[in-house]
Amino acid sequence: KAGVTQTPRYLIKTRGQQVTLSCSPISGHRSVSWYQQTPGQGLQFLFEYFSETQRNKGNFPGRFSGRQFSNSRSEMNVSTLELGDSALYLCASSSSSDRVYGYTFGSGTRLTVV
Amino acid sequence: GESVGLHLPTLSVQEGDNSIINCAYSNSASDYFIWYKQESGKGPQFIIDIRSNMDKRQGQRVTVLLNKTVKHLSLQIAATQPGDSAVYFCAENLRGGGSNYKLTFGKGTLLTVNP
Repeated sequence: KAGVTQTPRYLIKTRGQQVTLSCSPISGHRSVSWYQQTPGQGLQFLFEYFSETQRNKGNFPGRFSGRQFSNSRSEMNVSTLELGDSALYLCASSSSSDRVYGYTFGSGTRLTVV
Repeated sequence: GESVGLHLPTLSVQEGDNSIINCAYSNSASDYFIWYKQESGKGPQFIIDIRSNMDKRQGQRVTVLLNKTVKHLSLQIAATQPGDSAVYFCAENLRGGGSNYKLTFGKGTLLTVNP
């Protein structure tokens, strides 16, 4: 079956712009999470959605937001981009409704802010 | 400010040797742990998991050991192959307060397998 699909794979944006990243989970997975990966901070949790509801949010500024649609696809948005937002953004989906069991990651979107 | 890159611990082994990758986790309340492998340009790939009611779990060529007393996890890879070269992360998860739904990752270890 198809894995977690993230689009686009690569993105270059200018400071001050906004960006929207997309994630399609594995079919049947209703939990979608987002992580930011940077050389300086490693992998950090952004937020998690289940049935269109955000259930947990990491320690990121309000410029980072997300949503989930009724088909479980998710998007995350970063507004007013800063150079430090350059990172690999990873999406993961889970088959479990109450834990991270069966977490499967996509290949990520590489965002470069110039 | 400028980002400082993580100084990843590195482990270099010869093909065919056994590898042991260690991880100290942060929260004594964590009750579920996962090891991931990340190759260049890819997302983390699940290797093996373990729950806190166990101290050892085996998979194909991999074994995870959990020592809750000292909050330590290890991943053992038998007969390491060049395809095992990657960054390996441990991750922890705990029940309650919304924490069910997120993983906290360690910094990672770069494994290099020499042919």
